[in-house]
Amino acid sequence: AQTVTQSQPEMSVQEAETVTLSCTYDTSESDYYLFWYKQPPSRQMILVIRQEAYKQQNATENRFSVNFQKAAKSFSLKISDSQLGDAAMYFCAYDESNFGNEKLTFGTGTRLTIIP
Amino acid sequence: AAGVIQSPRHLIKEKRETATLKCYPIPRHDTVYWYQQGPGQDPQFLISFYEKMQSDKGSIPDRFSAQQFSDYHSELNMSSLELGDSALYFCASSPIGRKGEQFFGPGTRLTVL
Repeated sequence: AQTVTQSQPEMSVQEAETVTLSCTYDTSESDYYLFWYKQPPSRQMILVIRQEAYKQQNATENRFSVNFQKAAKSFSLKISDSQLGDAAMYFCAYDESNFGNEKLTFGTGTRLTIIP
Repeated sequence: AAGVIQSPRHLIKEKRETATLKCYPIPRHDTVYWYQQGPGQDPQFLISFYEKMQSDKGSIPDRFSAQQFSDYHSELNMSSLELGDSALYFCASSPIGRKGEQFFGPGTRLTVL
């Protein structure tokens, strides 16, 4: 079974600084998808960024970017120019590309605190 | 933009009662997923439907059942509720041709007393 590991239960960063959240995963598949979801205090799950495993180029969404290392099975999220609204629980998630097995497997999350 | 709608948003039940959670996916999304998130935990996959057929099943108790209807909305039925069923239940939907991109609803918070 696929597993997703987030080894940082909590992280903090000064406002306007850069922070990197770590994620590793285990799979025997060659084609899959990786995601970062944000869960603020409202508990809403918000998709932050999506990476397709067959694409070597790292995904970027405004201040959010990933460092995808397929061989190392590593998928870290970098948040630049951190803002107070970035404070949330961040979940790394894995999804196979095979029909009938498209569930998201989540890591245990990293709680990010932004220091004003 | 339209989002996933879940109802009710909050539900309080007694042990051994039955609960029904409803999910209305984003228009033109053909796949619906259900997840359970216990306090302080990550979401756990329960079950999914593609074009009204069950497509995958996770650690869903036998006391739970779900279905997707012709209008693509889905219902999660939970019977013989236990204290441990208290959790946030998310529904998510994904669009045709946009593999693996799941959009989550706001969740239904179920409390079992």
